[in-house]
Amino acid sequence: GAVVSQHPSWVICKSGTSVKIECRSLDFQATTMFWYRQFPKQSLMLMATSNEGSKATYEQGVEKDKFLINHASLTLSTLTVTSAHPEDSSFYICSARTRGPTYNEQFFGPGTRLTVL
Amino acid sequence: DAKTTQPPSMDCAEGRAANLPCNHSTISGNEYVYWYRQIHSQGPQYIIHGLKNNETNEMASLIITEDRKSSTLILPHATLRDTAVYYCIVSGEYGNKLVFGAGTILRVKS
Repeated sequence: GAVVSQHPSWVICKSGTSVKIECRSLDFQATTMFWYRQFPKQSLMLMATSNEGSKATYEQGVEKDKFLINHASLTLSTLTVTSAHPEDSSFYICSARTRGPTYNEQFFGPGTRLTVL
Repeated sequence: DAKTTQPPSMDCAEGRAANLPCNHSTISGNEYVYWYRQIHSQGPQYIIHGLKNNETNEMASLIITEDRKSSTLILPHATLRDTAVYYCIVSGEYGNKLVFGAGTILRVKS
């Protein structure tokens, strides 16, 4: 089946630094990738949708200048958390979708746990 | 996209069928019902989806009522590894995003 990887799986950083998270589709071309954030004991919240070669579309309330998303190729999207603060500590999950049948199956990565000290 | 309502939690005995209900009374004609699950600290996993007919795959069965206002996910022989949060999501065809609700915590007990 389709596999999506994320790197790193966990990261600890100091407040004020930037962190980059990679999301890769390993065996298919992802025309669309999604980034989610999940706080403890809460559901996934969609942050943004990115299509290969175009700018990401951010959900309401998500700061695009703080969460930089790049989807430069059909197999890679990156999320950069700029000037991270403790409140940005969360579980970040990406998903990917390819063109194909008309249903909306998304393949999710294993997630990246970010802790900002 | 239509909103869904699921019970917050359910218990199931190992080896028995787990029936997880979902209400989606405002679903529109071109919206699909999707089920995903999330095992603790992992990314969600796709289970099954359907439009109006019942569907079955190697993981589960999806029963959608005739008026499409509710559905039930059936895990025929639940195992301890099926303990997870199960999300019922209503969304349109390709091109629409998935909006996750609170889901149902399914605990499978031996």
